[in-house]
Amino acid sequence: NAGVTQTPKFRILKIGQSMTLQCTQDMNHNYMYWYRQDPGMGLKLIYYSVGAGITDKGEVPNGYNVSRSTTEDFPLRLELAAPSQTSVYFCASSYEPRVPFGANVLTFGAGSRLTVL
Amino acid sequence: DAKTTQPTSMDCAEGRAANLPCNHSTISGNEYVYWYRQIHSQGPQYIIHGLKNNETNEMASLIITEDRKSSTLILPHATLRDTAVYYCIVMPNDYKLSFGAGTTVTVRA
Repeated sequence: NAGVTQTPKFRILKIGQSMTLQCTQDMNHNYMYWYRQDPGMGLKLIYYSVGAGITDKGEVPNGYNVSRSTTEDFPLRLELAAPSQTSVYFCASSYEPRVPFGANVLTFGAGSRLTVL
Repeated sequence: DAKTTQPTSMDCAEGRAANLPCNHSTISGNEYVYWYRQIHSQGPQYIIHGLKNNETNEMASLIITEDRKSSTLILPHATLRDTAVYYCIVMPNDYKLSFGAGTTVTVRA
């Protein structure tokens, strides 16, 4: 049981390049999330998904795209990378709460550190 | 969505209890309080959560006031490995959750 796996761990991009951050989980969680964390700051939600085929914007979605074709995978696409996207990106997953508005515990990946120069 | 307020930082002596406060005065009746921690640059790690009652697990205890407007995370015997950023969050009903800056806890020998 690997939990939440993110690749790559580190990446340097040039301005204007594109790339995909991969996230996969083997816990059969139906909720998945992408966060970014800038130095000294908390985590801001970029996108999230409540199941295959369903995605929704979070707090800071501009410049990113996601897809959710399977329960296991939730890739994050960066189009036209900009220096403002230099950050550490975390993927997380959780079970759908058993009752409405019930407990929802997130399991996080180890993070992907992206630098845009 | 309920916001939380935490002190920016606090120190704790190794072996002593660490009491981390959190205010969430706008919390709704069905919203849970969660605590996570982030050690160095790792992904956040779940610690504990609660709705109304006090909770305890192998990592910590969570004390929630009767009016639910504040809570305290207790690390009973802090070790150097407990040095981390601790996040108190209230889970919004739409699960669009972001984390604030948290409390940086430094455990000193």
